[in-house]
Amino acid sequence: DQQVKQNSPSLSVQEGRISILNCDYTNSMFDYFLWYKKYPAEGPTFLISISSIKDKNEDGRFTVFLNKSAKHLSLHIVPSQPGDSAVYFCAARNDYKLSFGAGTTVTVRA
Amino acid sequence: EADIYQTPRYLVIGTGKKITLECSQTMGHDKMYWYQQDPGMELHLIHYSYGVNSTEKGDLSSESTVSRIRTEHFPLTLESARPSHTSQYLCASSGGRTSGYNEQFFGPGTRLTVL
Repeated sequence: DQQVKQNSPSLSVQEGRISILNCDYTNSMFDYFLWYKKYPAEGPTFLISISSIKDKNEDGRFTVFLNKSAKHLSLHIVPSQPGDSAVYFCAARNDYKLSFGAGTTVTVRA
Repeated sequence: EADIYQTPRYLVIGTGKKITLECSQTMGHDKMYWYQQDPGMELHLIHYSYGVNSTEKGDLSSESTVSRIRTEHFPLTLESARPSHTSQYLCASSGGRTSGYNEQFFGPGTRLTVL
């Protein structure tokens, strides 16, 4: 039973434009949401997070939006850069454990 | 910067061999986790520990076992490797003096191939 879903397996965006990654969840007990970035043959690295009591968190080029009523969150990257090309995982926390989506592969075109 | 280490990074081994994947962290985190990930799939939690001498199975059933004798060390063992165990294994930790329990920090992973 997959509780966190990323329905877009891939995204291609031109350098300088906005990348929007989406994530849906089903478990109302999740209290914290995170985005991780992963390069091949490396472990995921933390990118940005948001508490369930907030609806927006911004850190430089990265902004995460949370819509609790829709059980939906999104990650905006603007402007997109070639170094942003990676797999992005959405994760949700319940009782110190994380549930992950299957990831979205972002390719930034020059 | 997260200080969590995994060895080996890559392992190719024959069926039936016993293997131990090492994971160590120097951040003083009390919580540690093992995930399994196949290409294009989500990370699945297979084991976790909330402190020394405490281990629990995760959401995905696994034939591996873990131990937590020291805070900084959380090894994973497969008594008899099979081709179905071929996967990437990721270790993570959280808590302590660095970030609380909001983020988990990941090691570089071990890519296991069982022939």
